[in-house]
Order: sequence, then structure tokens, then C-alpha cells
Amino acid sequence: NAGVTQTPKFRILKIGQSMTLQCAQDMNHNYMYWYRQDPGMGLKLIYYSVGAGITDKGEVPNGYNVSRSTTEDFPLRLELAAPSQTSVYFCASRPQTGALIYFGPGTRLTVT
Amino acid sequence: RKEVEQDPGPFNVPEGATVAFNCTYSNSASQSFFWYRQDCRKEPKLLMSVYSSGNEDGRFTAQLNRASQYISLLIRDSKLSDSATYLCVVNILLYGGSQGNLIFGKGTKLSVKP
Repeated sequence: NAGVTQTPKFRILKIGQSMTLQCAQDMNHNYMYWYRQDPGMGLKLIYYSVGAGITDKGEVPNGYNVSRSTTEDFPLRLELAAPSQTSVYFCASRPQTGALIYFGPGTRLTVT
Repeated sequence: RKEVEQDPGPFNVPEGATVAFNCTYSNSASQSFFWYRQDCRKEPKLLMSVYSSGNEDGRFTAQLNRASQYISLLIRDSKLSDSATYLCVVNILLYGGSQGNLIFGKGTKLSVKP
């Protein structure tokens, strides 16, 4: 299993540009998450999904959108990039039962 | 009171030292507990689960005190490679559900020096 994969690894955006961060998992996990981590800070939950077609807001959803059309994929969309969205973005997944969560390698985003 | 609190550190220790981290949680409905390790610029990875009776994995010992609502991680004979940030993670089981909310602490940074 590849586990949780994320693309791209790095990206630089100009203010106002849009982009989609891709996340996929091949473990058939129902639950998927997007976190952001600012330098020297903890993880903050942006959005999560409990299954295909179901998404919900986390702690810091403003400026982002998600969709979950399949069990495997959970893309995160930034519509109008702002410098405050400069961060490392981690996608994660976990199974229906149990609490172990698996993270992808992260996407480093810089907005200038 | 924050849901999961950790001393941010940094803890600067020499090689071979024993170091302990504590983590307190506020929700008594918390069901399961974990320590994750996060290396600089990498994703968090599971270090160990924490069981009620306490558990050990090599140089690492985790303990849970439900009455006082804290968990601890003890690292013996610390190595340079132990330098990382250690995240305390608490799973709060929702009423009637089989899943729960995972709450992450902000992490404790450990730096082991030669």
C-alpha cells in the first residue's frame, strides 16, 4: 500500500491565484482529514470527511473547500490564495473503527 | 482550559539522559491516547499507543493516569535521533458512535545534544 499520498510536495502561489491540493489513500479508510500546520505551531483541522459524499468543517475552514466524490480522494481547494494561507498542509486518513490516523507527507505552500 | 495541553519545550538534553513529557487532557470522555513523533518538516507518525496499564517499547515508556487526566512519555538513554517534536493525541469517543474526535496537542520539542 502507498498509504496516504499528496501532490504537489511544494507550491508557490501569487495572491489571488487558485489551486487544488490532491490527497489520495489506498487503505479504504472512511475518514479523511485536512490539517494545516504553521511554523512552530500545532495542527489545525480545516475540513474532514466521514465518507464519500460527506464533508464537514473543522476549526479553520475559511478560504478552503473540499469534496469527496470517492472513498480514495479528498482534494482541498484554495480559491483566492492569501499570504495567511502559507503553511504546510497535511492530509490524513483513518479507518471506520479504531483511532490510529495516518498522515500524508505534506504539501508546503507559500503565497506571496 | 485547552483540551490537550503539552509543555512546548524545547527540552535540551545530553545524549544518554532520561527525559519525560507530560500531557494533560480536559475531557473525561477521552477513550484512547497516543504519542506521535514529528520530525522537522515531516508528517507526524505514530510512536506508540498508551494503555491504561502503561506500556513500554524499548527505551520508551508511556503511562496513563485517568484520575488526574494526564499521560506521560518517558525516554531513557536518549539518542541524537530522538530529536523531534512529540505530539500527544487524545481520542474522545462521541456518544453513540464508534468513532471519535482526535485532538492533537501542540507538541513538545526535544533536542538531544552530543
